[in-house]
Amino acid sequence: KAGVTQTPRYLIKTRGQQVTLSCSPISGHRSVSWYQQTPGQGLQFLFEYFSETQRNKGNFPGRFSGRQFSNSRSEMNVSTLELGDSALYLCASSHITGETEAFFGQGTRLTVV
Amino acid sequence: QKEVEQDPGPLSVPEGAIVSLNCTYSNSAFQYFMWYRQYSRKGPELLMYTYSSGNKEDGRFTAQVDKSSKYISLFIRDSQPSDSATYLCAMGSNYKLTFGKGTLLTVNP
Repeated sequence: KAGVTQTPRYLIKTRGQQVTLSCSPISGHRSVSWYQQTPGQGLQFLFEYFSETQRNKGNFPGRFSGRQFSNSRSEMNVSTLELGDSALYLCASSHITGETEAFFGQGTRLTVV
Repeated sequence: QKEVEQDPGPLSVPEGAIVSLNCTYSNSAFQYFMWYRQYSRKGPELLMYTYSSGNKEDGRFTAQVDKSSKYISLFIRDSQPSDSATYLCAMGSNYKLTFGKGTLLTVNP
């Protein structure tokens, strides 16, 4: 069974640009969550989607947005990038809800210069 | 007070030792409890998942949850150099996981 696939693995962007990250969950999983990981703050919750509906959102500015498609694949977008957005962005896949067994992808490492 | 507190370590033990990792939490709404292992430059890997107080064993790993004390633990028996990684506790509620900061473990051959 394939795991969670995130693309791209690495990105370098310039301040002010926008970026879109992609996540394909484990087959049959309908919940997709996104997390930001930094050395200082650790893993922080961004949002959770189920059946194309956002059910919870973390404490991040409106520049961070996401969506889920009918095939459960998900994308997150960050607009007007800031240096502080440099982080590892992790997608997690769960069968039904993001508060139980969640399986993570390898992440997308975003560097903003 | 942070919702989840985890001693960041680092923790260094000899091969074969029993390792004890701990987290405390303050939010009574947490219903699900997990331990993840994360190797450098990789995504977190789910090790243990439980939703009730008590012990759960899987091979060399034992997860312990005490909801009355708001305390969870992970025990690793016969630790191996391949166990060297960062261990993260996570608590689930309201469609999300809240993580501890992680404990860096090194098992020396």
